[in-house]
Amino acid sequence: GAVVSQHPSWVICKSGTSVKIECRSLDFQATTMFWYRQFPKQSLMLMATSNEGSKATYEQGVEKDKFLINHASLTLSTLTVTSAHPEDSSFYICSAAELAGGYQETQYFGPGTRLLVL
Amino acid sequence: DAKTTQPTSMDCAEGRAANLPCNHSTISGNEYVYWYRQIHSQGPQYIIHGLKNNETNEMASLIITEDRKSSTLILPHATLRDTAVYYCIVLGTDKLIFGTGTRLQVFP
Repeated sequence: GAVVSQHPSWVICKSGTSVKIECRSLDFQATTMFWYRQFPKQSLMLMATSNEGSKATYEQGVEKDKFLINHASLTLSTLTVTSAHPEDSSFYICSAAELAGGYQETQYFGPGTRLLVL
Repeated sequence: DAKTTQPTSMDCAEGRAANLPCNHSTISGNEYVYWYRQIHSQGPQYIIHGLKNNETNEMASLIITEDRKSSTLILPHATLRDTAVYYCIVLGTDKLIFGTGTRLQVFP
């Protein structure tokens, strides 16, 4: 159980285009989903937190107009990198957690999406 | 959320127990200790978590000191596939904040 998938696993795009990454919880309902970014040889950095049916909360320094997050259902969240540039090239990882008994359950992570912007 | 301190790297012989320490001296009473690991180019994998008591599952054991200021993750019989970066994280709010972790290298 507790499987989280991401699609695509890798993507190459031209500078200026937009890229959408999907994150799905396959066997549980994810009331909260998180998006992280990881640059080479660095740790994961939290970008934003999204709760189903409400607007995402972005971490300081993360541009909400550039990284659009939609959490329209309890099993799906999407991250759209708008007008991508080479500096947006990174490993994007989502995680999902179920709210149970009034507190958040363990977060489970997807396999990640590697984005390369040319 | 409380900050954690972990050694940068550790080595372990295959088949031996790997003991990964973590200091979290500013942990609060309602904060959990979580352990994840990240194998190269993959998303983090949940290992185990605990509040006060020691915990064990099919992957590992978690030993938390009585004052809760430190903990140790134990992989009882390390294999080459356990080579990864291990993250110890104190969870207070709903956000996991990753530090630099411990790079565990298991050698034959």
